[in-house]
Amino acid sequence: EAQVTQNPRYLITVTGKKLTVTCSQNMNHEYMSWYRQDPGLGLRQIYYSMNVEVTDKGDVPEGYKVSRKEKRNFPLILESPSPNQTSLYFCASSRKPGQGFMNTEAFFGQGTRLTVV
Amino acid sequence: AQRVTQPEKLLSVFKGAPVELKCNYSYSGSPELFWYVQYSRQRLQLLLRHISRESIKGFTADLNKGETSFHLKKPFAQEEDSAMYYCALKLGSGNTGKLIFGQGTTLQVKP
Repeated sequence: EAQVTQNPRYLITVTGKKLTVTCSQNMNHEYMSWYRQDPGLGLRQIYYSMNVEVTDKGDVPEGYKVSRKEKRNFPLILESPSPNQTSLYFCASSRKPGQGFMNTEAFFGQGTRLTVV
Repeated sequence: AQRVTQPEKLLSVFKGAPVELKCNYSYSGSPELFWYVQYSRQRLQLLLRHISRESIKGFTADLNKGETSFHLKKPFAQEEDSAMYYCALKLGSGNTGKLIFGQGTTLQVKP
């Protein structure tokens, strides 16, 4: 089954304790991205990656890091989490842009609800 | 600047009533627009895209370039349509294919 898998689904942590949220896709997609979802603000892109070893900042990258060592994985790293990073996080993947309009659908993970106290 | 605006945070209708979820966009290039839906405790999933001009679960959306709108419509709402709906704009291939989302509209269909 084609899917994007995030772990963990729920996480409560303390300020300053480094954490990683994993994301894996099995569709051989080149493009992957991380979003955070906050009430009234919709989804905002944190980071994205167009392929292995190619990453770039989205709209709200402060306090986050990513890596793309393999095509299927795109972990989100919070080196020193703070309470304002309490949010619902989604990973998404899609085919490389330009490969036809019908192939540009983004597939989303189940979400990770993070609480930083 | 590229932007997607969904003016309604909450839309509440009775079962059987028509529904229109509004979406306006700002983009100087050729837009590619989507509607995503998020049912309670589930992941976001694609509902429909403008390029395919399809009807999914009774929903349709027409791209109006003159009004820069992509409103989502359904003639008769069902209780199972209750969900959060996001309008999204995909920037062109020269812009990495980035998706820009609106703020989302919660649709509540009452029995």
